[in-house]
Amino acid sequence: EIVLTQSPGTLSLSPGERATLSCRASQSIGTNYLAWYQQKPGQPPRLLIYGAFSRATGIPDRFSGSGSGTDFTLTISRLEPEDSAVYYCQQCDDSEVNTFGQGTRLEIK
Amino acid sequence: EVQLVESGGLVVQPGGSLRLSCAASGFTFADYTMLWVRQPPGKGLEWISLITWDGGITYYADSVQGRFTISRDNSKNSLYLQMNSLRAEDTALYYCVKGPAYYLDVWGKGTTVTVSS
Repeated sequence: EIVLTQSPGTLSLSPGERATLSCRASQSIGTNYLAWYQQKPGQPPRLLIYGAFSRATGIPDRFSGSGSGTDFTLTISRLEPEDSAVYYCQQCDDSEVNTFGQGTRLEIK
Repeated sequence: EVQLVESGGLVVQPGGSLRLSCAASGFTFADYTMLWVRQPPGKGLEWISLITWDGGITYYADSVQGRFTISRDNSKNSLYLQMNSLRAEDTALYYCVKGPAYYLDVWGKGTTVTVSS
């Protein structure tokens, strides 16, 4: 089973700053199979990025994904207060077994 | 509007059984892989099961293999999760999710399962 490790656990930044969230896989993942989700309290997760780089419908271009192999990054530029949330990476390897990272909590001061 | 609505969550005793349902609307249900993902209180997301569009292939996380069964009825636009031999660690909010597996773009609001004596 592929294990995803996200870092940092918590990130505290100010509006207008840039956030860089990391997701490291225990073995190489095809870029088609890496996605990022945002979850706010009391809400289901929302798809942000799929295929490592592509923004989902309606996601502002402040959100971008990058990376390959075992190291992937979600970058949120020009942070806004509503970006406060927990962010999860997710992978689906060839056997269609999904795993999620443990999440990064982003606080906007 | 694309929508998934889960139901069936209850308080159940350890060792008990429960069947969750998910009603889909707003898209061609029969075209899509469907998944169940759960979230224990205050914790992260855990994928637990997946079923292909025709029900022909199913996958399970190790934590539920042999105890849970995923199924679907495309004529009723419905997804199910039969949960047997429930344990305290199965306590969670259970989400019904539209696939494909690498693109989980529609989530229900979830149904709560509590396993407690």
